Amino acid sequence: AQSVSQHNHHVILSEAASLELGCNYSYGGTVNLFWYVQYPGQHLQLLLKYFSGDPLVKGIKGFEAEFIKSKFSFNLRKPSVQWSDTAEYFCAVNAVSKLVFGAGTILRVKS
Amino acid sequence: EAQVTQNPRYLITVTGKKLTVTCSQNMNHEYMSWYRQDPGLGLRQIYYSMNVEVTDKGDVPEGYKVSRKEKRNFPLILESPSPNQTSLYFCASSLGSGGAYEQYFGPGTRLTVT
Repeated sequence: AQSVSQHNHHVILSEAASLELGCNYSYGGTVNLFWYVQYPGQHLQLLLKYFSGDPLVKGIKGFEAEFIKSKFSFNLRKPSVQWSDTAEYFCAVNAVSKLVFGAGTILRVKS
Repeated sequence: EAQVTQNPRYLITVTGKKLTVTCSQNMNHEYMSWYRQDPGLGLRQIYYSMNVEVTDKGDVPEGYKVSRKEKRNFPLILESPSPNQTSLYFCASSLGSGGAYEQYFGPGTRLTVT
């Protein structure tokens, strides 16, 4: 069965700090990978996605993620976080008929 | 505006009282699904539908029913709610099934069962 593991449940950073959120997945076939973000009180929005090609994908708001097939990882990065990045972040991997989500990482950025 | 809508947004009910949470999308999407979100567990799929009259169980279907009589609507039915169904529920839709398509999420329904 497919599964997604996110390394940290809570992360606290100061503004301008760099961010890296870990995501590992287990899935035997070709993968499509996603990062979703949920701002406080809002619904999930797509940050970025990887289907094929360049393993370094860029998303909205300065986020990027790198797909490393040999490590089954899809870590999310941002060079300099802002207070407005405070949110919960979910990594997800495709399955035949559904997305399988990780447990989420709550990011709090201190101003 | 392309969107997924859910109603109600907040609901407090008592054990055993049947309820329905509606979900509607205006993007002509074939695939729709329901998730519940619980702290530390992420989102787990309850049911999904690949098209009209085609529904199937997700990971946590117990205690829930769905129907897909029209392409745009996918209501979630709790015939006899219990406190362990207190959760945040999201409806989602996408052009097709599987992970090749971005899923669009509704605003969520926060359900409390006492």
